[in-house]
Amino acid sequence: GAVVSQHPSWVICKSGTSVKIECRSLDFQATTMFWYRQFPKQSLMLMATSNEGSKATYEQGVEKDKFLINHASLTLSTLTVTSAHPEDSSFYICSARPAPGDGHEQFFGPGTRLTVL
Amino acid sequence: AQTVTQSQPEMSVQEAETVTLSCTYDTSESDYYLFWYKQPPSRQMILVIRQEAYKQQNATENRFSVNFQKAAKSFSLKISDSQLGDAAMYFCAADSGGYQKVTFGTGTKLQVIP
Repeated sequence: GAVVSQHPSWVICKSGTSVKIECRSLDFQATTMFWYRQFPKQSLMLMATSNEGSKATYEQGVEKDKFLINHASLTLSTLTVTSAHPEDSSFYICSARPAPGDGHEQFFGPGTRLTVL
Repeated sequence: AQTVTQSQPEMSVQEAETVTLSCTYDTSESDYYLFWYKQPPSRQMILVIRQEAYKQQNATENRFSVNFQKAAKSFSLKISDSQLGDAAMYFCAADSGGYQKVTFGTGTKLQVIP
């Protein structure tokens, strides 16, 4: 099956610093990538949808200036948490969808645990 | 808008028995897809089964099957011959093509009792 990787798998940073998380589709081209946030024992909350070469579409309530998303190629999307604060600590998951017509399946990365001190 | 509701926060089943997880959804689209995902303690999301709304036949994947009731907007997951490895969070999800995004339910935590 299709594989999606995320890097890093976990990161600890100081308050006020920025953190970049990479999401890569390893064996397919992803026309669309999604970024989710998951709090402990809760569901996945969609943060934004990104299509290669265009600006990301953010969900209501998600600060686009704080969570910068770049989808520069068909295999790479990045999420940068700028000026991170303890309340940004969470589990971030990306997913990637191949070209349309493939049953709408998303392939998920293993997630990144962010802890902001 | 599309919504997905899972009314069972937790379920338990004896090993080798059968359990059914419930899910209802709502969408105004006529073309949509429904999914069940499993999230074990590793937190890696794993696709369990998928159902295309235009297909009347219920999807089946080995021990996993769904009961898709389109008129009732119900999409339950049946796990037969439950195994210890089935213990996980299970999320029901809907993807209405027009929205280009997936909406997840709140999840059901499944415990398998040896």
